[in-house]
Amino acid sequence: DIQMTQSPSTLSASVGDRVTITCRASQSISSWLAWYQQKPGKAPKLLIYEASSLQSGVPSRFSGSGSGTEFTLTISSLQPDDFATYYCQQYGSYWTFGQGTKVEVE
Amino acid sequence: QVQLVQSGAEVRKPGASVKLSCKASGYTFTSFHMHWVRQAPGQGLEWMGIINPSGDSTTYAQKFQGRVTMTSDTSTSTVYMDLSSLRSEDTAVYYCARDSTYCASASCPFDFWGQGTLVTVSS
Repeated sequence: DIQMTQSPSTLSASVGDRVTITCRASQSISSWLAWYQQKPGKAPKLLIYEASSLQSGVPSRFSGSGSGTEFTLTISSLQPDDFATYYCQQYGSYWTFGQGTKVEVE
Repeated sequence: QVQLVQSGAEVRKPGASVKLSCKASGYTFTSFHMHWVRQAPGQGLEWMGIINPSGDSTTYAQKFQGRVTMTSDTSTSTVYMDLSSLRSEDTAVYYCARDSTYCASASCPFDFWGQGTLVTVSS
């Protein structure tokens, strides 16, 4: 099974900050990586697919990069609506999620 | 618009079974695979399995094999997930989620999710 490891687990930031979250796969998954945002009591929302493609309707301040085993999600200028938990997901071999990164108010 | 509407919360005793439903609308039901994902309280997301509503082929995560059964009913555009031999660790919110429209590989991310169903397992 492919394991996904996110870092950090928690990130404290302020509105306007540039935020970067890292996801590492235990083996190469090419670009078969997605990022989701989840708010309390809600279902996850797809932000990025194929490592760097922005899902329709998602603000352009979100971007993704990477391939192979190392990936990043960047929020260029954090907005109040962006405080949430973010998950990476590999879909190169079955499906596995990272453990999540909570972005909280500093 | 695409909607996935799940059945309501359930409470079960250890050892019992539970069957959850997920009714799809707004798209051609048989054109997209459906997944089940669960989330224990305060924890992350865990993929459970996938069903192809066109033919009912399934693949289950190894952890759940022997305890989970996923089925579909094309006449009502509904998928079902049956989980048996419940234990307290199965207490979680269970989501159905659809394969994404943007899928360039054999496997896809998930672009639409149901609202979730809380299953509580307690004696």
